[in-house]
Amino acid sequence: GNSVTQMEGPVTLSEEAFLTINCTYTATGYPSLFWYVQYPGEGLQLLLKATKADDKGSNKGFEATYRKETTSFHLEKGSVQVSDSAVYFCALSTGGFKTIFGAGTRLFVKA
Amino acid sequence: EADIYQTPRYLVIGTGKKITLECSQTMGHDKMYWYQQDPGMELHLIHYSYGVNSTEKGDLSSESTVSRIRTEHFPLTLESARPSHTSQYLCASSDLVESSRQYFGPGTRLTVT
Repeated sequence: GNSVTQMEGPVTLSEEAFLTINCTYTATGYPSLFWYVQYPGEGLQLLLKATKADDKGSNKGFEATYRKETTSFHLEKGSVQVSDSAVYFCALSTGGFKTIFGAGTRLFVKA
Repeated sequence: EADIYQTPRYLVIGTGKKITLECSQTMGHDKMYWYQQDPGMELHLIHYSYGVNSTEKGDLSSESTVSRIRTEHFPLTLESARPSHTSQYLCASSDLVESSRQYFGPGTRLTVT
């Protein structure tokens, strides 16, 4: 079946550090891949997405590239800010009804 | 960004009470979902709906029930709340065209004492 595995947290970084959150997936067919972010006390919101192999999604300085050969969709940001502290969810959808979410990775950024 | 609303945002209630968590969206989306989010943050799909008069159970067994009488409204009801129901409940919706992207409400944090 379809599944998403992302690195366990929490991840603690200093401001302006480089961020990588790993995400790998297992899926039949050709899934769309997503990163959602959840700020404290809020619901999830879409951060970026990629719908086919080699696509790069980007938003707010975050990037992720859809790598079919390694079944990965790692999230990166060159310089994190305190305001990036949140929980990040990797997710996939095969176009059917359900979206499969990873377990979430909590990021703390220290000033 | 998203026009999806949940009320109440926080609820503390005693065991045995009946509660309804409200979810409304103004985007005209056909598909709606309820997730339970545990303290470890993982999301569990408990109910979903394809449209009016359509409801299905999700992956995680839940004692709650849902209804979909209007497109915009997808309430979740617990007939008799128990401490094990204490959790964060997230409502989401998506349209038929871009059905893979989901829009989330802010959530209801439920505590049953």
